[in-house]
Parts: sequence; C-alpha cells; structure tokens
Amino acid sequence: DAKTTQPPSMDCAEGRAANLPCNHSTISGNEYVYWYRQIHSQGPQYIIHGLKNNETNEMASLIITEDRKSSTLILPHATLRDTAVYYCIVGEAAGNKLTFGGGTRVLVKP
Amino acid sequence: DVKVTQSSRYLVKRTGEKVFLECVQDMDHENMFWYRQDPGLGLRLIYFSYDVKMKEKGDIPEGYSVSREKKERFSLILESASTNQTSMYLCASSLGGSGRYEQYFGPGTRLTVT
Repeated sequence: DAKTTQPPSMDCAEGRAANLPCNHSTISGNEYVYWYRQIHSQGPQYIIHGLKNNETNEMASLIITEDRKSSTLILPHATLRDTAVYYCIVGEAAGNKLTFGGGTRVLVKP
Repeated sequence: DVKVTQSSRYLVKRTGEKVFLECVQDMDHENMFWYRQDPGLGLRLIYFSYDVKMKEKGDIPEGYSVSREKKERFSLILESASTNQTSMYLCASSLGGSGRYEQYFGPGTRLTVT
C-alpha cells in the first residue's frame, strides 16, 4: 500500500473552512484516497473517498490533484464538533487493506 | 444506519488467559476487519474476512486468530494473552462490491492485560 504524509496538527477557527492536506506520491493507479476521522474515545468515522475526480458529500469535499500525488479534504464550515484526528489513507479498490497512519489532529477553536 | 457493536467497552484479563472479542454488524456486510490502535502507531490491521469462514492476515496477525462462522459476526481470539496485547481493539465492516468501500467502525474495546 502507498503511504501518506499529513501534518501532525492544525488549528481552525469555528465557522471557517478547514483545509487538510495529504501527500501520497507513491499512489498506484487503482488505489483510492479515503478520509476518516476519529473523535476522542470513538471508533473512526468514514468521511469521503475518491479516485481521480473531486468529490463532495454532506460532510466534506475532496480535491485530488491531477497527478494524484496529493489531495485536500475541505470542511466547509468547521464546528467545535469537528475537533478530531483526521486520517488520509490510500487503499485498493476493494477497500480491504486500509493502513492508518498518524493522521492530523485538528482543533477547532471558538 | 449501519451499526457495528462490540461485546465489551472495557476488559481486563490476566496474562495467559484466552480472550474472545466479539463483533456484530447488522447491515449484511461482506467484509469485516479487526484493528488495534496504540498511541503513536495509529490503527493497524490484524485480520480481515471477506466471506463466512474466510480470513486473511493483516499487518500484525501474530498472537491472534479469528473466526467467522456467520456473516454478521467476526470474533478475535487471543489464545494466550500477553501484556503487549494491551490495546484498543476496533472492529469494522464494509459492504464490499463495486463502489462501496467505506468501513464502518464499532466503538472499540479497551483491553488491559495484567
């Protein structure tokens, strides 16, 4: 599996957009980019995934560069409940082997 | 909503004991997974199963075994618990098949081996 690189932490102001970067320069052609988050003392929660095109759902938007070597998760209007560790993961299409790295610890401040 | 439940939130066992961690999902998902989570190491895949009675080793299978006799239930077994197996254990499931790759996680079991 390809590895990802994320900043260890970032702060965000409540109500503002949070842009979370991820580098995955060794991603292969059939690997997807997944984003999960983990709020303290809970299991991880799926956010969004994509292959080549940008994706949007009710939680977030995912922007993938044309060369697929990096991506950005966008939380459009961060709330205090978005404080969590955010994991960027690349994995096979079947989604069977997702390797979670250290993630980015996001703190949303009032 | 998908619901993944785990048998215990907290568990304390002694070294050498046999430990069973149970996971049940209610959405007829094909795939089920067991991870452990340790500070500084992130989540690591122990085993996964893509069908009843089928299993595949993950990244750290040593010291663990699994059982999947029914589609909705996936058990993690520690044959002889050791202190280095003290960890948070997370179960997940996914639908499988074209386009449905997201994994849904249970609340976790925090296991302490003394």
